[in-house]
Amino acid sequence: ETGVTQSPTHLIKTRGQQVTLRCSSQSGHNTVSWYQQALGQGPQFIFQYYREEENGRGNFPPRFSGLQFPNYSSELNVNALELDDSALYLCASSLHRDTEAFFGQGTRLTVV
Amino acid sequence: GENVEQHPSTLSVQEGDSAVIKCTYSDSASNYFPWYKQELGKGPQLIIDIRSNVGEKKDQRIAVTLNKTAKHFSLHITETQPEDSAVYFCAVRTSYGKLTFGQGTILTVHP
Repeated sequence: ETGVTQSPTHLIKTRGQQVTLRCSSQSGHNTVSWYQQALGQGPQFIFQYYREEENGRGNFPPRFSGLQFPNYSSELNVNALELDDSALYLCASSLHRDTEAFFGQGTRLTVV
Repeated sequence: GENVEQHPSTLSVQEGDSAVIKCTYSDSASNYFPWYKQELGKGPQLIIDIRSNVGEKKDQRIAVTLNKTAKHFSLHITETQPEDSAVYFCAVRTSYGKLTFGQGTILTVHP
């Protein structure tokens, strides 16, 4: 059984650019959630996808968007990058919406 | 929305001592309370969790207690080892799968 994998591990972008982060969920898991973790803080919920539909959203602007594919892998897209978007982006997968969430190693995004 | 407070922010213990981290939450509808350990450069790792219909759960040196009336829960680590050094996060789930995290506790275990 493979765990949650994210790509890339590190990324540097310029302010105003767009970025796509990817996540492969754990085998058999149909729910993927994305979190943003600023340095020294706890993860903040961005949104969740369940069976390819957005199932809930945190307090993030519309320039944060996502997708979930039929194989339950997922993408996080961020448009018009701002310096404050620099953070560790975490993907978590669950067997179902109300079961344990397992995190990937994260993507470290730096916006300059 | 849900608010989770975690204390202390840093905790330093000697190897073999016990460590206790506490969290309080605001939403009485919260029903699931996991604890995560995060090592430098890694994602959070689930170490133990408890649901609202249980008061205590133990897994070897780690235990979690829940007081739903007071809306607080705690992580207890006994016989601490240097490899327990990490950042620990509590979290709370109220609806669907959204987790609200505490601010984290940096645990340092001195040999």
